[in-house]
Amino acid sequence: QKEVEQDPGPLSVPEGAIVSLNCTYSNSAFQYFMWYRQYSRKGPELLMYTYSSGNKEDGRFTAQVDKSSKYISLFIRDSQPSDSATYLCAMTPFSGGYNKLIFGAGTRLAVHP
Amino acid sequence: GAVVSQHPSRVICKSGTSVKIECRSLDFQATTMFWYRQFPKKSLMLMATSNEGSKATYEQGVEKDKFLINHASLTLSTLTVTSAHPEDSSFYICSARDGTSGGQETQYFGPGTRLLVL
Repeated sequence: QKEVEQDPGPLSVPEGAIVSLNCTYSNSAFQYFMWYRQYSRKGPELLMYTYSSGNKEDGRFTAQVDKSSKYISLFIRDSQPSDSATYLCAMTPFSGGYNKLIFGAGTRLAVHP
Repeated sequence: GAVVSQHPSRVICKSGTSVKIECRSLDFQATTMFWYRQFPKKSLMLMATSNEGSKATYEQGVEKDKFLINHASLTLSTLTVTSAHPEDSSFYICSARDGTSGGQETQYFGPGTRLLVL
């Protein structure tokens, strides 16, 4: 079993739809959770950063972390064609030092006009 | 803020030559930098972690003599692919951790370097 599971998609939605992207994980030590957006042939761009459980909102994006279920989500409201990209979840534990990020496989999203 | 640059963005070289890729943190000091490799439609594969002034830590299966990493300053890390072969062709991406972020455990990525070995 992989430490982080993420459905690779592709996920195709019409413009204006609400998009839900999800990851599950197995390591209960994970404390820091991130969502990155990667356009084709570009480096990943940090979208959302969350520590421990709870919700975080930034514009059209909302990140949720449910540590009891080991499940994280990214919601995109009023999706736009420019949101078409691959979305990667990433997480890391806190141990007082620095640990490498564990990435999901990435979900390819296509928003069509 | 938190901008990471990479140079070159694209490189084509002959088999057997060496290629150096630079990664710079432009507006913060990066105590730790990471090098990833990404194959088409696949996720990121961590190759190595480098801390300023010390030897890099390589992931299992990554040849340290083939992929030389130097992190000489808090804003610059280099990856040298030695004696490149066609199977080394890939998208190489660096990232940097902001050591002054007060415990924020995240990484900022560069735009990537596409390497093609003929």
